[in-house]
Amino acid sequence: DGGITQSPKYLFRKEGQNVTLSCEQNLNHDAMYWYRQDPGQGLRLIYYSQIVNDFQKGDIAEGYSVSREKKESFPLTVTSAQKNPTAFYLCASSLGWGGGELFFGEGSRLTVL
Amino acid sequence: DAKTTQPPSMDCAEGRAANLPCNHSTISGNEYVYWYRQIHSQGPQYIIHGLKNNETNEMASLIITEDRKSSTLILPHATLRDTAVYYCIVRVSQNTNAGKSTFGDGTTLTVKP
Repeated sequence: DGGITQSPKYLFRKEGQNVTLSCEQNLNHDAMYWYRQDPGQGLRLIYYSQIVNDFQKGDIAEGYSVSREKKESFPLTVTSAQKNPTAFYLCASSLGWGGGELFFGEGSRLTVL
Repeated sequence: DAKTTQPPSMDCAEGRAANLPCNHSTISGNEYVYWYRQIHSQGPQYIIHGLKNNETNEMASLIITEDRKSSTLILPHATLRDTAVYYCIVRVSQNTNAGKSTFGDGTTLTVKP
């Protein structure tokens, strides 16, 4: 089945550690996105990628980094510079940049101890 | 992308129609209205989208006002499993430079027995 796979679903880390969240899609989509969601709030855009080897900062990029070396993969690294990293992270993709339906993964919940 | 405004919460009796409003007064001519829903701790799920005509699919109906400044998502016969957060966003449906879609806090719909 085509879709977006995020892993791990749950992750715990100690303060000061970097952690990388995986996002893989087999939909042959050009565009991919990372969103952050805090309890009771909507989704906020962290980074997005229009096409392989290109990515842009979203609204809350500080303390995060990404790469897009392959079309199907868009990993997100939460660095130690992120002041409040505990959150629910969602990866999404769309056929083309900017438009069309967004397809979401099931999310990764990061807890910093 | 234009922003949207939704009521924070609504209740609906099981079996009755749920009507969820959304204001998007700054919508542009090439922007579609998309609706998603999110069940707790899962990725958002696409429901329906439209430009200016009313749309219906197996999940819901979408009514867009003639001036396109507001819309209503209708779940014709709400069930307990429709309890979720519903997001209305505006988004183009073709490649442009306007790739960022802003998600507000959505409407928490609670379907009651």
